[in-house]
Amino acid sequence: AQKVTQAQTEISVVEKEDVTLDCVYETRDTTYYLFWYKQPPSGELVFLIRRNSFDEQNEISGRYSWNFQKSTSSFNFTITASQVVDSAVYFCALENNFNKFYFGSGTKLNVKP
Amino acid sequence: DSGVTQTPKHLITATGQRVTLRCSPRSGDLSVYWYQQSLDQGLQFLIQYYNGEERAKGNILERFSAQQFPDLHSELNLSSLELGDSALYFCASSARLAGGGDNEQFFGPGTRLTVL
Repeated sequence: AQKVTQAQTEISVVEKEDVTLDCVYETRDTTYYLFWYKQPPSGELVFLIRRNSFDEQNEISGRYSWNFQKSTSSFNFTITASQVVDSAVYFCALENNFNKFYFGSGTKLNVKP
Repeated sequence: DSGVTQTPKHLITATGQRVTLRCSPRSGDLSVYWYQQSLDQGLQFLIQYYNGEERAKGNILERFSAQQFPDLHSELNLSSLELGDSALYFCASSARLAGGGDNEQFFGPGTRLTVL
Protein backbone atom coordinates (compact mmCIF):
# COMPACT_ATOMS: atom_id res chain seq x y z
CA ALA A 1 0.00 0.00 0.00
CA GLN A 2 1.10 3.52 -0.69
CA LYS A 3 0.51 6.29 1.75
CA VAL A 4 1.77 9.78 2.50
CA THR A 5 1.39 11.27 5.96
CA GLN A 6 1.74 14.91 6.84
CA ALA A 7 1.11 14.87 10.54
CA GLN A 8 1.31 18.63 10.99
CA THR A 9 -2.06 20.04 10.06
CA GLU A 10 -1.16 23.65 10.70
CA ILE A 11 2.00 25.49 11.75
CA SER A 12 2.34 29.12 12.73
CA VAL A 13 5.67 30.90 12.83
CA VAL A 14 6.89 34.46 12.99
CA GLU A 15 8.69 35.89 10.00
CA LYS A 16 12.40 35.00 9.81
CA GLU A 17 11.96 31.81 11.79
CA ASP A 18 13.02 28.53 10.22
CA VAL A 19 10.29 25.93 9.81
CA THR A 20 10.32 22.26 8.86
CA LEU A 21 7.35 20.50 7.31
CA ASP A 22 7.33 16.77 7.83
CA CYS A 23 6.42 14.12 5.30
CA VAL A 24 6.47 10.38 5.88
CA TYR A 25 5.65 7.95 3.12
CA GLU A 26 4.94 4.24 2.73
CA THR A 27 5.65 2.21 -0.36
CA ARG A 28 7.08 -1.16 -1.27
CA ASP A 29 8.24 0.06 -4.68
CA THR A 30 11.96 0.39 -5.17
CA THR A 31 11.47 3.10 -7.77
CA TYR A 32 9.32 6.02 -6.81
CA TYR A 33 9.30 9.80 -6.81
CA LEU A 34 8.60 12.27 -4.05
CA PHE A 35 7.17 15.71 -4.56
CA TRP A 36 6.39 18.89 -2.69
CA TYR A 37 3.80 21.36 -3.90
CA LYS A 38 2.71 24.76 -2.64
CA GLN A 39 -0.84 26.07 -2.70
CA PRO A 40 -0.96 29.75 -1.74
CA PRO A 41 -4.20 31.40 -0.60
CA SER A 42 -4.93 32.32 -4.22
CA GLY A 43 -5.53 28.62 -4.85
CA GLU A 44 -3.16 27.66 -7.62
CA LEU A 45 -0.84 24.69 -7.25
CA VAL A 46 2.88 25.20 -7.64
CA PHE A 47 5.38 22.41 -8.13
CA LEU A 48 8.41 22.80 -5.83
CA ILE A 49 10.51 19.68 -6.18
CA ARG A 50 10.60 16.14 -7.51
CA ARG A 51 13.06 13.62 -6.13
CA ASN A 52 13.62 10.06 -7.27
CA SER A 53 14.10 7.22 -4.83
CA PHE A 54 17.71 6.63 -5.85
CA ASP A 55 18.85 10.13 -5.06
CA GLU A 56 19.13 10.73 -1.33
CA GLN A 57 21.19 13.88 -1.65
CA ASN A 58 19.72 16.82 0.11
CA GLU A 59 18.54 19.60 -2.14
CA ILE A 60 18.77 23.32 -1.52
CA SER A 61 17.08 25.98 -3.54
CA GLY A 62 17.43 29.43 -2.06
CA ARG A 63 15.66 29.44 1.29
CA TYR A 64 14.13 26.01 0.62
CA SER A 65 15.82 22.73 1.43
CA TRP A 66 14.69 19.14 1.36
CA ASN A 67 15.96 16.22 3.41
CA PHE A 68 15.26 12.78 1.95
CA GLN A 69 15.96 9.85 4.26
CA LYS A 70 15.03 6.41 2.98
CA SER A 71 15.89 4.84 6.33
CA THR A 72 13.01 6.69 7.95
CA SER A 73 10.86 7.00 4.81
CA SER A 74 10.80 10.74 5.21
CA PHE A 75 11.08 13.67 2.85
CA ASN A 76 11.06 16.79 4.99
CA PHE A 77 10.95 20.34 3.73
CA THR A 78 12.62 23.24 5.52
CA ILE A 79 12.08 26.91 4.86
CA THR A 80 14.86 29.08 6.25
CA ALA A 81 14.13 32.64 7.33
CA SER A 82 10.44 32.32 6.52
CA GLN A 83 8.58 35.18 4.90
CA VAL A 84 4.92 36.13 4.85
CA VAL A 85 4.78 35.07 1.19
CA ASP A 86 5.57 31.53 2.31
CA SER A 87 2.12 31.30 3.89
CA ALA A 88 0.38 28.52 2.02
CA VAL A 89 -0.71 24.92 2.22
CA TYR A 90 2.12 22.57 1.35
CA PHE A 91 1.48 19.09 0.00
CA CYS A 92 3.83 16.17 -0.09
CA ALA A 93 3.18 13.44 -2.66
CA LEU A 94 4.50 10.09 -3.83
CA GLU A 95 4.44 8.86 -7.42
CA ASN A 96 4.79 5.10 -7.46
CA ASN A 97 6.34 2.74 -9.96
CA PHE A 98 3.13 2.78 -11.97
CA ASN A 99 2.96 6.58 -12.18
CA LYS A 100 0.11 6.82 -9.67
CA PHE A 101 0.21 9.74 -7.27
CA TYR A 102 -0.62 9.69 -3.57
CA PHE A 103 -0.95 12.95 -1.67
CA GLY A 104 -0.64 13.86 1.95
CA SER A 105 -3.39 15.88 3.55
CA GLY A 106 -1.33 19.05 3.49
CA THR A 107 0.24 21.32 6.10
CA LYS A 108 -1.02 24.86 6.36
CA LEU A 109 1.82 27.25 7.12
CA ASN A 110 1.00 30.65 8.57
CA VAL A 111 3.89 33.09 8.63
CA LYS A 112 3.11 36.14 10.72
CA PRO A 113 4.91 39.45 10.28
CA ASP B 1 1.68 32.19 -15.95
CA SER B 2 2.42 28.46 -16.07
CA GLY B 3 1.52 28.11 -19.73
CA VAL B 4 -1.18 25.55 -18.92
CA THR B 5 -4.71 26.68 -19.65
CA GLN B 6 -7.92 25.23 -18.34
CA THR B 7 -11.44 26.07 -19.39
CA PRO B 8 -13.87 26.91 -18.06
CA LYS B 9 -12.71 28.55 -14.83
CA HIS B 10 -16.03 28.02 -13.15
CA LEU B 11 -18.88 25.66 -13.89
CA ILE B 12 -22.18 25.40 -12.11
CA THR B 13 -24.46 22.57 -13.05
CA ALA B 14 -27.12 20.27 -11.67
CA THR B 15 -27.02 16.71 -10.46
CA GLY B 16 -27.30 14.16 -13.21
CA GLN B 17 -25.71 16.41 -15.81
CA ARG B 18 -22.57 15.88 -17.85
CA VAL B 19 -19.71 18.36 -18.24
CA THR B 20 -16.40 18.51 -20.07
CA LEU B 21 -13.32 20.17 -18.67
CA ARG B 22 -10.58 21.12 -21.05
CA CYS B 23 -6.83 21.43 -20.55
CA SER B 24 -4.17 22.72 -22.90
CA PRO B 25 -0.67 21.78 -21.78
CA ARG B 26 2.42 23.90 -22.05
CA SER B 27 3.85 23.94 -25.53
CA GLY B 28 5.96 20.83 -26.05
CA ASP B 29 4.79 19.00 -22.92
CA LEU B 30 3.69 15.46 -23.64
CA SER B 31 2.35 14.44 -20.23
CA VAL B 32 -0.97 15.63 -18.88
CA TYR B 33 -2.25 14.91 -15.39
CA TRP B 34 -5.68 15.46 -13.87
CA TYR B 35 -6.26 15.99 -10.16
CA GLN B 36 -9.33 16.61 -8.04
CA GLN B 37 -9.29 18.71 -4.89
CA SER B 38 -12.29 18.63 -2.59
CA LEU B 39 -12.82 19.45 1.06
CA ASP B 40 -13.79 15.85 1.82
CA GLN B 41 -11.13 13.96 -0.06
CA GLY B 42 -8.26 16.42 -0.29
CA LEU B 43 -6.04 16.25 -3.35
CA GLN B 44 -6.49 13.13 -5.44
CA PHE B 45 -4.82 11.95 -8.60
CA LEU B 46 -7.28 11.03 -11.30
CA ILE B 47 -5.43 10.08 -14.45
CA GLN B 48 -2.28 10.67 -16.50
CA TYR B 49 -1.76 10.70 -20.25
CA TYR B 50 1.46 10.68 -22.18
CA ASN B 51 1.50 11.54 -25.86
CA GLY B 52 -2.07 10.43 -26.32
CA GLU B 53 -1.88 7.22 -24.33
CA GLU B 54 -3.28 6.61 -20.88
CA ARG B 55 -0.36 5.94 -18.51
CA ALA B 56 -1.80 5.77 -15.04
CA LYS B 57 -5.19 5.76 -13.43
CA GLY B 58 -5.86 6.88 -9.90
CA ASN B 59 -9.09 7.33 -8.03
CA ILE B 60 -11.12 8.12 -11.10
CA LEU B 61 -14.76 7.11 -10.91
CA GLU B 62 -16.33 5.08 -13.69
CA ARG B 63 -18.61 8.05 -14.38
CA PHE B 64 -15.51 10.04 -15.31
CA SER B 65 -13.45 9.60 -18.44
CA ALA B 66 -10.62 11.44 -20.08
CA GLN B 67 -8.64 11.53 -23.25
CA GLN B 68 -5.65 13.28 -24.76
CA PHE B 69 -5.98 14.35 -28.36
CA PRO B 70 -3.33 14.38 -31.12
CA ASP B 71 -2.70 18.08 -30.49
CA LEU B 72 -1.99 17.05 -26.86
CA HIS B 73 -4.85 18.92 -25.26
CA SER B 74 -6.89 16.84 -22.87
CA GLU B 75 -10.50 16.67 -21.82
CA LEU B 76 -12.01 15.29 -18.63
CA ASN B 77 -15.62 14.23 -18.96
CA LEU B 78 -17.75 13.97 -15.85
CA SER B 79 -21.18 12.42 -16.19
CA SER B 80 -24.17 11.65 -13.98
CA LEU B 81 -22.88 14.33 -11.68
CA GLU B 82 -23.47 14.09 -7.95
CA LEU B 83 -23.20 16.70 -5.24
CA GLY B 84 -19.97 15.09 -4.09
CA ASP B 85 -18.32 15.80 -7.43
CA SER B 86 -18.16 19.49 -6.54
CA ALA B 87 -14.46 20.22 -6.41
CA LEU B 88 -11.53 22.03 -7.96
CA TYR B 89 -10.15 20.11 -10.91
CA PHE B 90 -6.53 20.78 -11.78
CA CYS B 91 -4.68 19.85 -14.88
CA ALA B 92 -0.89 19.77 -15.01
CA SER B 93 1.62 19.07 -17.72
CA SER B 94 5.24 18.02 -17.87
CA ALA B 95 7.71 17.38 -20.62
CA ARG B 96 8.17 13.67 -20.00
CA LEU B 97 7.02 10.71 -18.01
CA ALA B 98 8.43 10.32 -14.55
CA GLY B 99 11.73 8.77 -15.50
CA GLY B 100 14.93 10.71 -15.80
CA GLY B 101 16.12 14.17 -15.07
CA ASP B 102 14.03 17.14 -14.13
CA ASN B 103 10.42 16.69 -14.96
CA GLU B 104 8.81 19.77 -13.50
CA GLN B 105 5.05 19.87 -13.49
CA PHE B 106 3.19 23.01 -14.48
CA PHE B 107 -0.35 23.47 -13.23
CA GLY B 108 -3.29 25.19 -14.75
CA PRO B 109 -5.45 27.54 -12.68
CA GLY B 110 -8.08 24.87 -12.15
CA THR B 111 -11.77 24.54 -12.95
CA ARG B 112 -14.12 24.98 -10.03
CA LEU B 113 -17.11 22.70 -10.49
CA THR B 114 -20.20 23.23 -8.41
CA VAL B 115 -22.96 20.65 -8.62
CA LEU B 116 -26.30 21.82 -7.26
